[in-house]
Amino acid sequence: DTAVSQTPKYLVTQMGNDKSIKCEQNLGHDTMYWYKQDSKKFLKIMFSYNNKELIINETVPNRFSPKSPDKAHLNLHINSLELGDSAVYFCASSQDRGKGHQPQHFGDGTRLSIL
Amino acid sequence: GQNIDQPTEMTATEGAIVQINCTYQTSGFNGLFWYQQHAGEAPTFLSYNVLDGLEEKGRFSSFLSRSKGYSYLLLKELQMKDSASYLCAVRLYGGATNKLIFGTGTLLAVQP
Repeated sequence: DTAVSQTPKYLVTQMGNDKSIKCEQNLGHDTMYWYKQDSKKFLKIMFSYNNKELIINETVPNRFSPKSPDKAHLNLHINSLELGDSAVYFCASSQDRGKGHQPQHFGDGTRLSIL
Repeated sequence: GQNIDQPTEMTATEGAIVQINCTYQTSGFNGLFWYQQHAGEAPTFLSYNVLDGLEEKGRFSSFLSRSKGYSYLLLKELQMKDSASYLCAVRLYGGATNKLIFGTGTLLAVQP
């Protein structure tokens, strides 16, 4: 009965490779997010989709490309991985673009390590 | 720019009360959230304030003063399992979007 699930949980790969992280939510929410949490535990928004439409796109290198096949899924593809991409990536979801008291619900994170 | 400040670390004793402060300077304030994050786990929602005053939820309470750009999270009857990071997040409203800006978190260590 996992609410927001991400795969894989751990990802170790070489610099220059291309990798994808998948996220699915079964909460019936209409908005999904990708966050990056760096080594200092600072959590920063990267992207947000509402009903498959991109609504937030922060200053993120274009090597990062989100894709939302439907409102329950938001995947993150990263090209040409760099050392600075090492971080924990969290997927989250909320209802109604997070209006009112609607909190965001987070997945368990994907720990990406670049060698 | 957006700025959210929290103390980096705090230590408290089991059974005691601790207050974690958060000050913010942001544009388009539309609510403040507190999240708890245990090491290696996902952030989990604790509380939400959009109007001035105190919101109480069991052992946890959160206070907001919009005019002062200030919030605090109060944890009572501390338990060892309360050792975690506590993240303050301000929601910005920008037309069609609601974006959360997080502080760097306060790492709370509860000692016996």
